[in-house]
Amino acid sequence: NAGVTQTPKFQVLKTGQSMTLQCAQDMNHNSMYWYRQDPGMGLRLIYYSASEGTTDKGEVPNGYNVSRLNKREFSLRLESAAPSQTSVYFCASSVGQGNSPLHFGNGTRLTVT
Amino acid sequence: GENVEQHPSTLSVQEGDSAVIKCTYSDSASNYFPWYKQELGKGPQLIIDIRSNVGEKKDQRIAVTLNKTAKHFSLHITETQPEDSAVYFCAASSTGTYKYIFGTGTRLKVLA
Repeated sequence: NAGVTQTPKFQVLKTGQSMTLQCAQDMNHNSMYWYRQDPGMGLRLIYYSASEGTTDKGEVPNGYNVSRLNKREFSLRLESAAPSQTSVYFCASSVGQGNSPLHFGNGTRLTVT
Repeated sequence: GENVEQHPSTLSVQEGDSAVIKCTYSDSASNYFPWYKQELGKGPQLIIDIRSNVGEKKDQRIAVTLNKTAKHFSLHITETQPEDSAVYFCAASSTGTYKYIFGTGTRLKVLA
C-alpha cells in the first residue's frame, strides 16, 4: 500500500510557466484535497474534491485549477506561475467529510523564480 | 473567520521529560480534533485524534485532552525520546464540512 503518492517531489519554474502536480491514492478514499504549506502559516486548503466528479474552492484558490480525474487521482494545475506560489504542496485524502482523518502525501516543493 | 491558535511555536525538552502543546479553536461547531506529526521532508502523519463526545484519549505515550467549554485541546507526550523531535500540528473540523483548520505548528526538540 503506497497511500498517497505525489509527483514530482521538486520543481523549479520561471514566472509565467505552467505545470501540473499529480496525486494518486490507493486507499479507496472518496475525498481528496490540495494544501499549501508556508513557514509560520500552517496548512491552507487550496481546493478539495468531496467525491469523484466534484471539486470546490478552499481558502486560497486563486491562481490554481484542479481536476478529479477519477476516484484515485486529483491533479493541481498552475496556469501561470508567480513567485507567491513558491511553497510546499501537499495532497491528502480521507474516507469522507470533516470528521475523518486526512492522509497526506510527502509533498512537492515548488520554487518559482 | 474560523481559526486555530497553537502554542508554543517551539519547545525544547530533555529526553524523558513531558511535552505539552496547546490549541484553541474558534468555531463552536468543531467536533473533530486530530494531531499530526511532520518529520523533515515528509507529509504530516496522524498520531492521535479526539471527537467532541470524549474528554481524553490515550495511546501509549501520547494523550489528547479536550475542553469544549473553553474551546481548547492539548497534546501530551510523556517520556519523550529523540525520535519525537518533529513539527506537530493541531487541527479542527466538523461533521458535514471538508475544511480542516490547522494550527501554525510547534517545533519540538528532544535533547538527548
